[in-house]
Amino acid sequence: DQQVKQNSPSLSVQEGRISILNCDYTNSMFDYFLWYKKYPAEGPTFLISISSIKDKNEDGRFTVFLNKSAKHLSLHIVPSQPGDSAVYFCAASGTQGAQKLVFGQGTRLTINP
Amino acid sequence: DADVTQTPRNRITKTGKRIMLECSQTKGHDRMYWYRQDPGLGLRLIYYSFDVKDINKGEISDGYSVSRQAQAKFSLSLESAIPNQTALYFCATSAGSVGTQYFGPGTRLTVL
Repeated sequence: DQQVKQNSPSLSVQEGRISILNCDYTNSMFDYFLWYKKYPAEGPTFLISISSIKDKNEDGRFTVFLNKSAKHLSLHIVPSQPGDSAVYFCAASGTQGAQKLVFGQGTRLTINP
Repeated sequence: DADVTQTPRNRITKTGKRIMLECSQTKGHDRMYWYRQDPGLGLRLIYYSFDVKDINKGEISDGYSVSRQAQAKFSLSLESAIPNQTALYFCATSAGSVGTQYFGPGTRLTVL
């Protein structure tokens, strides 16, 4: 049972435009959400996070939106740059013990010049 | 130097062999994790450890064991490797109660 789902395996966006990556979750106990970015032959690197007490968090070109009622979050990248081409993972954790992250399947983002 | 290192980076082995993957960190974090990544499945938690005396099973611990030799070292063992353990393995660390984890570069393991 996939508790965190990224239903788009891939996304292609033109340079300079907005990239929107989506993530859905099923477990209402999740209260902390993160986005990781992964380049080939490297480990995932932390990008941005959001707590369930917020509905938006912004860091430079990256903004994460959380809709708790819909159990949905999204990552917006504006403007998209070629270096943003990577696989993006959504992850979630709850307050039950540790920071056990549950990851989505990932979305491969390609930024075209 | 990298904060989280994994050795080896690549390994090819045969069915039935015992394999150990090692992870070291210089971040001073108390919590360490082992994940595996398979195509289309994202990262799944194998084991995690909150400190040297604490070891916990994750989502997919069957066929794996771990050892936390020191705060900075966390190793993953496959006692008798099988082909469906072919995957990319990542070690991660974190500190405190905030959910940000920091990952190593990964080990690509192939079991023939």
